[in-house]
Amino acid sequence: EDKVVQSPLSLVVHEGDTVTLNCSYEVTNFRSLLWYKQEKKAPTFLFMLTSSGIEKKSGRLSSILDKKELFSILNITATQTGDSAVYLCAVRLSNTGKLIFGQGTTLQVKP
Amino acid sequence: ETGVTQSPTHLIKTRGQQVTLRCSSQSGHNTVSWYQQALGQGPQFIFQYYREEENGRGNFPPRFSGLQFPNYSSELNVNALELDDSALYLCASSLPRDTDTQYFGPGTRLTVL
Repeated sequence: EDKVVQSPLSLVVHEGDTVTLNCSYEVTNFRSLLWYKQEKKAPTFLFMLTSSGIEKKSGRLSSILDKKELFSILNITATQTGDSAVYLCAVRLSNTGKLIFGQGTTLQVKP
Repeated sequence: ETGVTQSPTHLIKTRGQQVTLRCSSQSGHNTVSWYQQALGQGPQFIFQYYREEENGRGNFPPRFSGLQFPNYSSELNVNALELDDSALYLCASSLPRDTDTQYFGPGTRLTVL
């Protein structure tokens, strides 16, 4: 059965800390891996990764994919209270538009 | 803002009732997917519509059904509601040339009593 597992499930840090969120997957027909940030309701798109070893970066956020070891990490440097959210990892399968989501990592950034 | 809208924002129903949730995609987004997100969980794929036809379905019973209209808006219908159907229902749309990136609406919070 296709599955996506995120760790840790929750994390509490202080402003300025650097965090690393993990996502591992076991799926057939991998096409891409996506990261979303969910603050209240709608998940908002962060990154899409398709190739191993190529870092995607947006401001203080960056992500990389390892297709050999079947995992991805999301790094957030110099965290701010506005980074507090649930971070969702999802894998898109190549034979369908279906996204398989992990359980999410709840990040709380304290002042 | 993703340009994807959903209605209603909140809904309370009782067991056995039927519900219809609606989603309006961005212009040009001809693919729409529906997800169920229970509290503390990641979204679970219900089904996807492409050009008004179902294009993939997750592990949900037939009482979950959908429609996509020519203007690419969409409905999710749930019959014979059960308590476990209480969740946030999200729709997501994507462009024809970028189906990997799905843009989510704000969701409908359904509570079944």
